[in-house]
Amino acid sequence: SQTIHQWPATLVQPVGSPLSLECTVEGTSNPNLYWYRQAAGRGLQLLFYSVGIGQISSEVPQNLSASRPQDRQFILSSKKLLLSDSGFYLCAWRKGGGGYTFGSGTRLTVV
Amino acid sequence: QQQVKQSPQSLIVQKGGISIINCAYENTAFDYFPWYQQFPGKGPALLIAIRPDVSEKKEGRFTISFNKSAKQFSLHIMDSQPGDSATYFCAASKEGETSGSRLTFGEGTQLTVNP
Repeated sequence: SQTIHQWPATLVQPVGSPLSLECTVEGTSNPNLYWYRQAAGRGLQLLFYSVGIGQISSEVPQNLSASRPQDRQFILSSKKLLLSDSGFYLCAWRKGGGGYTFGSGTRLTVV
Repeated sequence: QQQVKQSPQSLIVQKGGISIINCAYENTAFDYFPWYQQFPGKGPALLIAIRPDVSEKKEGRFTISFNKSAKQFSLHIMDSQPGDSATYFCAASKEGETSGSRLTFGEGTQLTVNP
């Protein structure tokens, strides 16, 4: 069966520090991968998606970047965090028809 | 980005009652309409989904009603239970897109079922 792993679960980082969130998927190959951000427990904002290794599309210009170094690995990064980067970050995968499967999320607080 | 508008923002229902959440979409090319359930601190989980070739789909106490001409779809939760208290998101996508079949989500509805 397919599983998605996302870590860390919570993170408190100072303004200006770097960020790296990792997401991995098991039990499938060549999935579509997505990074979403959710503010205040509502509204899912698509940040990045990837249809293959090294292929990244950005939906919203901002202080973040994404990379897909391996087929089932998706990384969200920032060189310098802003207060506005705080939120709940969700990774998801999809293959073929059907809905997304989301990870358990990372609660990021920038202080 | 094509919008999906969801209402109400919040809903309070008594145990045993019917919860109804509505969504409207703009893009007539959308052909996949899922609903997600999210508990606090957790990722959303797929609840039920429908495609436009049917007008209704039922799974247990959860039913999606779909009106293609009106470009609307709704989630009905029958016999609502306190354990159904969560945030619900509708979504829509066009399948088979080479650009990743991205789901467009509604803003969410916070459902509270009182005992």
